[in-house]
Amino acid sequence: SQTIHQWPATLVQPVGSPLSLECTVEGTSNPNLYWYRQAAGRGLQLLFYSVGIGQISSEVPQNLSASRPQDRQFILSSKKLLLSDSGFYLCAWSRQGAWGANVLTFGAGSRLTVL
Amino acid sequence: AQSVAQPEDQVNVAEGNPLTVKCTYSVSGNPYLFWYVQYPNRGLQFLLKYITGDNLVKGSYGFEAEFNKSQTSFHLKKPSALVSDSALYFCAVRDIDFGNEKLTFGTGTRLTIIP
Repeated sequence: SQTIHQWPATLVQPVGSPLSLECTVEGTSNPNLYWYRQAAGRGLQLLFYSVGIGQISSEVPQNLSASRPQDRQFILSSKKLLLSDSGFYLCAWSRQGAWGANVLTFGAGSRLTVL
Repeated sequence: AQSVAQPEDQVNVAEGNPLTVKCTYSVSGNPYLFWYVQYPNRGLQFLLKYITGDNLVKGSYGFEAEFNKSQTSFHLKKPSALVSDSALYFCAVRDIDFGNEKLTFGTGTRLTIIP
């Protein structure tokens, strides 16, 4: 069976510090990978998605970046955090192909507080 | 771009009563619609999806959703609410971006079941 892992689960960082959130998927190959942000416990905003190694699409211009160094690894980074980067970050994966049938499976999330 | 709207931020229902969480959509072409649930400090869990076929879709935990093309709606329903149904519910629609598939989520509806 497939599983998705995110870490760290909780992170408190000062403004201006770097960020690295990691997501890995097990039990599948060549997944679509996604990073969403949830602010104030409400709406979900798609930040990045990837259909393959080194292929990253950015949805919203910001000081965050994403990388996919391996097939099942997706990393969210920042060189200098802003207060507005605080939120709940969710990684998700789906199967490629099978148009319309793709269900996103989410990780447990990483809560980031920038002080 | 495809979009969904959830007109109610909060819905309160007495335990045992039927519940409805509303969602309307705006798409070009055939809509692929989803419902997800989020419990506190957790990732999203898939409930059900509509791709084609029967307008009444049954999902997890006794939930169902009715696809209504004329009203462009996809409301989530359950005949008898449980306290454990209290959570944040998201409607989502599939979008295609340069051949790549992603989900766009609504702003969420917080459902509270009152004992």
